Amino acid sequence: QKEVEQNSGPLSVPEGAIASLNCTYSDRGSQSFFWYRQYSGKSPELIMFIYSNGDKEDGRFTAQLNKASQYVSLLIRDSQPSDSATYLCAVKRGGSQGNLIFGKGTKLSVKP
Amino acid sequence: DAGITQSPRHKVTETGTPVTLRCHQTENHRYMYWYRQDPGHGLRLIHYSYGVKDTDKGEVSDGYSVSRSKTEDFLLTLESATSSQTSVYFCAISVDGQYQPQHFGDGTRLSIL
Repeated sequence: QKEVEQNSGPLSVPEGAIASLNCTYSDRGSQSFFWYRQYSGKSPELIMFIYSNGDKEDGRFTAQLNKASQYVSLLIRDSQPSDSATYLCAVKRGGSQGNLIFGKGTKLSVKP
Repeated sequence: DAGITQSPRHKVTETGTPVTLRCHQTENHRYMYWYRQDPGHGLRLIHYSYGVKDTDKGEVSDGYSVSRSKTEDFLLTLESATSSQTSVYFCAISVDGQYQPQHFGDGTRLSIL
């Protein structure tokens, strides 16, 4: 089992809809969880982080964490064509000197 | 802008030649990382540093070496480049702490012919 798994997509949603991106992880000792957005040809950009069970909202973005199920998700409300990108889930294990384990990313396409 | 500069941004070189990529930060962060990103593999950690002259291997360190003689600079060297090292290389930085994220530079696109 891969350490961090994401559906590669592409995930296609119409403009204005909710996009739901999912990520599972295998290490129960994982402590913190990050979502990065990466436009084609660009570097990853941090958009959300979460470390407590439950929801965390920031503007149109909501991160959800369920440690018992080893599951983290990112919801994007009112999706815009500018949200079209690859979304990377990253997990930090406890005591790992800051090392992140990345999923391979989910490509999101928002259709006008 | 996280204050990270990677150089060069693009490089084309031949198999067997040495290559050095530079990452320079203005944030005085303790941790620095080198990743490579390839289709189908995602981001993979090559080496990281947790202080001046303190470095350790990541997931895909074979064929790579690093050095950090100053807090602000982290160098990645391919001693004898191979075509399998053609990739996009990203540098990242972070402060200490379990909940601190990493911030990425703009990347170096390296092609080895």
